[in-house]
Amino acid sequence: QQPVQSPQAVILREGEDAVINCSSSKALYSVHWYRQKHGEAPVFLMILLKGGEQMRHEKISASFNEKKQQSSLYLTASQLSYSGTYFCGTEISGGSYIPTFGRGTSLIVHP
Amino acid sequence: DTGVSQDPRHKITKRGQNVTFRCDPISEHNRLYWYRQTLGQGPEFLTYFQNEAQLEKSRLLSDRFSAERPKGSFSTLEIQRTEQGDSAMYLCASSPGGLGGRSADTQYFGPGTRLTVL
Repeated sequence: QQPVQSPQAVILREGEDAVINCSSSKALYSVHWYRQKHGEAPVFLMILLKGGEQMRHEKISASFNEKKQQSSLYLTASQLSYSGTYFCGTEISGGSYIPTFGRGTSLIVHP
Repeated sequence: DTGVSQDPRHKITKRGQNVTFRCDPISEHNRLYWYRQTLGQGPEFLTYFQNEAQLEKSRLLSDRFSAERPKGSFSTLEIQRTEQGDSAMYLCASSPGGLGGRSADTQYFGPGTRLTVL
């Protein structure tokens, strides 16, 4: 039931855009997005609920396609501070309150 | 600072020893979660409390692992007879909890306890 994230890694120059995808084999109730920097705890970015709207956090936005059972995270005009590993966590419809996390997408932003 | 705190931040132990970790959630957060994270992986769910009740445990949680949240505030995770495979980062997270019925909760993670079993 672990969601699949793609790509595994992204290398960007400052100012470029990136898309990170998260897909599930099960119908989803919600998708959580976190960013984790090396040696630190995951930090919450946003949560998308079934039937909800696209969310935005500064220049980062996300969408949730319930039919395709997937979510995408869009990073616009990336900044150096965006570097880190991005995890999606998915809650299955009819399941518990606990998200299952993907293996992460490593994002490196160069000057 | 009113975030989630964990103690200790690092623990080195010998195989076969018992270890205990503590987590202090954000005050008034009803839900508390324990995760384990190894290199290159996302957090893996271990167990979850709603107030003092332990509502769910992962199959990953062998009988060597036990968790408590006696008064619905802080929680402890104990690992007995540690094995080298237990080496990992142990993360605690808390969330406010829904007002009733189902709600998707934002989880706030603590800094983690890094366990090394020699």
